[in-house]
Amino acid sequence: AQSVTQLDSHVSVSEGTPVLLRCNYSSSYSPSLFWYVQHPNKGLQLLLKYTSAATLVKGINGFEAEFKKSETSFHLTKPSAHMSDAAEYFCVVSEATDSWGKLQFGAGTQVVVTP
Amino acid sequence: AAGVIQSPRHLIKEKRETATLKCYPIPRHDTVYWYQQGPGQDPQFLISFYEKMQSDKGSIPDRFSAQQFSDYHSELNMSSLELGDSALYFCASSLGADDGYTFGSGTRLTVV
Repeated sequence: AQSVTQLDSHVSVSEGTPVLLRCNYSSSYSPSLFWYVQHPNKGLQLLLKYTSAATLVKGINGFEAEFKKSETSFHLTKPSAHMSDAAEYFCVVSEATDSWGKLQFGAGTQVVVTP
Repeated sequence: AAGVIQSPRHLIKEKRETATLKCYPIPRHDTVYWYQQGPGQDPQFLISFYEKMQSDKGSIPDRFSAQQFSDYHSELNMSSLELGDSALYFCASSLGADDGYTFGSGTRLTVV
């Protein structure tokens, strides 16, 4: 079984300051992990993914995440927030087993960026 | 680059009516997933297809059915609609289970 816990439902940051979105997962198998962003009334956009290669993953728009197996974490970071980063972020886990890679979403973290 | 296409973008139906949502995956993607996202909620997995066969089933009501056709597009059929079915319905496609999943922009269904 797989599950995802996003530790913060809301994060507020000032423009130009670092962003940290925390995600912990549990998985019976070697998981694939993803971060998706959803802007208001928009679809889900893939930011980055981890699929058992390098543990530090770089994504689009300056985001990166580090897979830490010992801590079962996959936190998302960005050094400097931009106003356009205001959105909802989902941490997602997938197990490539007989469930054909079904995605399990976290509850989401709403990011607010203030000027 | 081609993306996942969903139609219609918006749909308004009355209670007890039927709705059909369509999803056209990225060319050569062999797997399609359907998700339902209620207001203020995270997406919930409904059903998936691999090579035109149902591969997994999640929290999909018996009133809903889906299939994947020979051209790999998929349709989600929803009957006896209820107010609680109002949600954003996403389709995603992938090539392989650990590939990046590409989502469509969703169909917003409103049941009145």
